[in-house]
Amino acid sequence: DAGVIQSPRHEVTEMGQEVTLRCKPISGHDYLFWYRQTMMRGLELLIYFNNNVPIDDSGMPEDRFSAKMPNASFSTLKIQPSEPRDSAVYFCASSLRGVETQYFGPGTRLLVL
Amino acid sequence: AQSVSQHNHHVILSEAASLELGCNYSYGGTVNLFWYVQYPGQHLQLLLKYFSGDPLVKGIKGFEAEFIKSKFSFNLRKPSVQWSDTAEYFCAVILSNTGKLIFGQGTTLQVKP
Repeated sequence: DAGVIQSPRHEVTEMGQEVTLRCKPISGHDYLFWYRQTMMRGLELLIYFNNNVPIDDSGMPEDRFSAKMPNASFSTLKIQPSEPRDSAVYFCASSLRGVETQYFGPGTRLLVL
Repeated sequence: AQSVSQHNHHVILSEAASLELGCNYSYGGTVNLFWYVQYPGQHLQLLLKYFSGDPLVKGIKGFEAEFIKSKFSFNLRKPSVQWSDTAEYFCAVILSNTGKLIFGQGTTLQVKP
């Protein structure tokens, strides 16, 4: 299996622009997670889905962040408008059943100028 | 609130030294426990996990961890570290009734050749 796939790997944008991060989970996994990693706050869970349905979005920082999972093989995390404090590495992970091992993608390194 | 605490933020060792990284969690129910490693510039990879059974679990690259339920601990050990073990190590817990993976703040391990 190719593992969790994320794109783009790097994104540099200007403040106020819309940013869309993409994730393809491991085939057959029914849970998908979005995390953000920063030096100051470490790894934070933003939102997770089960069978394409958002289960817990309490970690989403504010309304500028939104996530969708239109089907079992694709999810997006959107930031609109982006701000410099959104600069971080965003990881997507998937698992087979929620309490099983989560497998992480390579991450998207976002820099908002 | 449930939390995971890693005792050491930054550890520096010489090659061949023994390693022990502490991890404690605060939750009275059933948990699944994980150690992940993140090599510089890379994504998180699973080192080892504990779900049930023998509380001493062995992972990849010579790592092992011991689950002590009475102490709410899951410490990571390696008898002899190598320069290639330089990385950040994360302890994580999934509560049995949720799919949320709660991470510790991470420990940066630097191994001097």
